[in-house]
Amino acid sequence: DIQMTQSPSSLSASVGDRVTITCRASQSISSYLNWYQQKPGKAPKLLIYAASSLQSGVPSRFSGSGSATDFTLTISSLQPEDFATYYCQQSYNTPITFGQGTRLEIK
Amino acid sequence: EVQLLESGGGLVQRGGSLRLSCAASGFIFSSYAMSWVRQAPGKGLEWVSSISTTGGSTYYADSVKGRFTISRDNSKNTLYLQMNSLRADDTAVYYCAKSSSRGSGTGGYFDYWGQGTLVTVSS
Repeated sequence: DIQMTQSPSSLSASVGDRVTITCRASQSISSYLNWYQQKPGKAPKLLIYAASSLQSGVPSRFSGSGSATDFTLTISSLQPEDFATYYCQQSYNTPITFGQGTRLEIK
Repeated sequence: EVQLLESGGGLVQRGGSLRLSCAASGFIFSSYAMSWVRQAPGKGLEWVSSISTTGGSTYYADSVKGRFTISRDNSKNTLYLQMNSLRADDTAVYYCAKSSSRGSGTGGYFDYWGQGTLVTVSS
């Protein structure tokens, strides 16, 4: 199984900050890496697919990069609605696996 | 507008069975692979199972293999998850998710999610 490791597990930041979350795969997954945002009590929402493609309707302050084993999600200027938990997920093969999540909190 | 509406969750005793349904609308259901993803209380996301467009290919997490069965009825635009031999660690919110994959059920991302249905297994 491919293990996905996110860092940090939690992060405190302020509105307007630039934030980067990292995801590392235990083996190469090419660009089969996706990012989701989840708010409490809600379903996850797709932000980025194929490592760097922005899902329709997602603000441009979100961006993704990376390939093979190392990936990043960047929020260029945090907005109040961005405080949530973020998950990476590999769709390279089954079993599909998610990172453990990064909880982004208000400082 | 894509909509996924799960139903069938509830409280069940350990060793019991439950069938979840996911009614889909707003897209050509038969053209996309579908999946179930669960989330235990206070925990992260865990992929459970995926199914190809025709239902001919199915995939399972090791934790549910042999106990859960995914299926679909393209004539009813509905996805199912039959859960047998339920255990306490199956307690979770179960989400139905549409895959971007138009074929085998793998390689795609989850572009739409239902609101989830809670399954609680009591011991």
